[in-house]
Amino acid sequence: EADIYQTPRYLVIGTGKKITLECSQTMGHDKMYWYQQDPGMELHLIHYSYGVNSTEKGDLSSESTVSRIRTEHFPLTLESARPSHTSQYLCASSEGSSETQYFGPGTRLLVL
Amino acid sequence: KNQVEQSPQSLIILEGKNCTLQCNYTVSPFSNLRWYKQDTGRGPVSLTIMTFSENTKSNGRYTATLDADTKQSSLHITASQLSDSASYICVVSDRGSTLGRLYFGRGTQLTVWP
Repeated sequence: EADIYQTPRYLVIGTGKKITLECSQTMGHDKMYWYQQDPGMELHLIHYSYGVNSTEKGDLSSESTVSRIRTEHFPLTLESARPSHTSQYLCASSEGSSETQYFGPGTRLLVL
Repeated sequence: KNQVEQSPQSLIILEGKNCTLQCNYTVSPFSNLRWYKQDTGRGPVSLTIMTFSENTKSNGRYTATLDADTKQSSLHITASQLSDSASYICVVSDRGSTLGRLYFGRGTQLTVWP
């Protein structure tokens, strides 16, 4: 079982609210990722980080932003949530040159 | 275009039976292929990883095969258990990318009935 955690696990909010999805890992991994996954669909990379103070946008355009101030934390923020943001958000991390990514349990977001 | 296609989309089998899931990919250059298991409401967990030179790899009741020439992989599950009910995702990594770009299939949703 990987030591990577996400909170909250479930979130229901109204349109226009600002939200932050938390992700933390205790494995000391330098690389971290955020994916978006809709039911029955493939994972789409929305953000990634090589290390502290390094963040990049992924393949899928997202209105969310991320920060990497500490190695173990990689929070994702939506300034103004919309119903189109309803999805599952998965955080992952990997070590050095290893391509094996360890995933958190995910956050299921519902925007009304 | 780099893609990963999985079949079937969903599968129902009886407990104790065997099954095989398929994965075809067009990712190039190829680095490695992984099979992940994703339980409902959980994140994916890696089952196997195979590089270009590996044809088969086992992890308990899970056996993955790879044909790099035809760009096909399969995941065989032996003597299925109720706990095998999950989505099985094929993930292919391309070579030469610092990030290790991953291409995800949509998964095969396996349901094991008692």
